[in-house]
Amino acid sequence: EAGVTQFPSHSVIEKGQTVTLRCDPISGHDNLYWYRRVMGKEIKFLLHFVKESKQDESGMPNNRFLAERTGGTYSTLKVQPAELEDSGVYFCASSQARASGANVLTFGAGSRLTVL
Amino acid sequence: GEDVEQSLFLSVREGDSSVINCTYTDSSSTYLYWYKQEPGAGLQLLTYIFSNMDMKQDQRLTVLLNKKDKHLSLRIADTQTGDSAIYFCADLSSNTGKLIFGQGTTLQVKP
Repeated sequence: EAGVTQFPSHSVIEKGQTVTLRCDPISGHDNLYWYRRVMGKEIKFLLHFVKESKQDESGMPNNRFLAERTGGTYSTLKVQPAELEDSGVYFCASSQARASGANVLTFGAGSRLTVL
Repeated sequence: GEDVEQSLFLSVREGDSSVINCTYTDSSSTYLYWYKQEPGAGLQLLTYIFSNMDMKQDQRLTVLLNKKDKHLSLRIADTQTGDSAIYFCADLSSNTGKLIFGQGTTLQVKP
């Protein structure tokens, strides 16, 4: 089974530019999550999709961040305009829908964003 | 809000045991997880434990959970150089349904 795929693996942009990160979850996984790790700090939750619907976007830093999951398959996370503090590694994860029990997330390799 | 804390760095010699510690504040924790991140790679799930258990063993890995003290540890027996990585502790909150991560512990294994 293919894992969670993220693209690009690394993006270097200037402040004020736009970047779009893409995540392809494991096929059949209804849950899709975005997390971010800023240098050396904890990995922080950004948002959670169930299929194409945003279940929880309480971790999105501000309205410069826009996440979509059209058709409930892949997801994109756009940062526009990017600021210096947006630099970090953006992780995507997916998991199967389940009513209870351990929610085992499978993570992608991450997209490293560097804003200069 | 919920918080997860880990020490940032641990150095051990090859063949020794490593113990990585984690504390959390969430009273409604259901599951606790350990993830491993090798350089350039994603987060790999190592193991997880249900909050009603106090121990789980899986080959070289032993997870101990003290629910009263909200303390979780990961013991790696016979640590190898390939175990060098960042280890993240995470808590699944039943309140929010979110995974809350710690800052990660960098494990350095010296030959």
